Amino acid sequence: DIQMTQSPSSLSASVGDRVTITCRASQSIDNYLNWYQQKPGKAPKFLIYAASSLQSGVPSRFSGGGSGTDFNLTISSLQFEDFACYYCQQTHTTPYTFGQGTKLEIK
Amino acid sequence: QVQLQQSGPGLVKPSQTLSLACTVSGGSVSTIGYYWSWIRQHPGKGLEWIGFMYYSGSTYYSPSLMSRVAISVDPSKNQFSLKLSSVTAADTAVYFCARGGTYYYDGRAYSALDSWGQGTQVTVSS
Repeated sequence: DIQMTQSPSSLSASVGDRVTITCRASQSIDNYLNWYQQKPGKAPKFLIYAASSLQSGVPSRFSGGGSGTDFNLTISSLQFEDFACYYCQQTHTTPYTFGQGTKLEIK
Repeated sequence: QVQLQQSGPGLVKPSQTLSLACTVSGGSVSTIGYYWSWIRQHPGKGLEWIGFMYYSGSTYYSPSLMSRVAISVDPSKNQFSLKLSSVTAADTAVYFCARGGTYYYDGRAYSALDSWGQGTQVTVSS
């Protein structure tokens, strides 16, 4: 299985801050990388595919990048509704594994 | 817009079979290009991919669960299902169904879970 490792596991930030979450794959996955946002008690929400393409309706303050083994999710100016947990997922090879998550908390 | 509604028991006894269903509205489980997935989340933990079935009938399962899991699709009910046999306390988790869609970028096709069910808390206990 391809292992996905996110860092940091948790992050404290303030509204208006710029934050970046990283995701590393145990082997090259080209750009077959998705990002999801999950709020407590809710199902995940699909944000980004192909490492950098925003799903329809996702605010432009979200951006993604990377290829091969190293990827990132950046939120340019945090809004209150962005405080949540974020997961990366590789879809290069089954099983389509997820990272362990990064919890973004209000400072 | 497609919606997924999960159903099934929230309490399963050890050694029994966990059975969950996911009913699709606003779309068809037979539509070409989609796949129908199950994911679970242990208490306070991250997401674990269980597996999926393509519209064509092909299935892909997590190696760690492969011997106990089965995903099926019932077009007559517009529904897909998860069965996990011989459950133990380690299978206690929130289970999500999700639709996998195909997205195109720079001439290539990419998969992503674009619609999710509400989640079902399943507890394995006698």
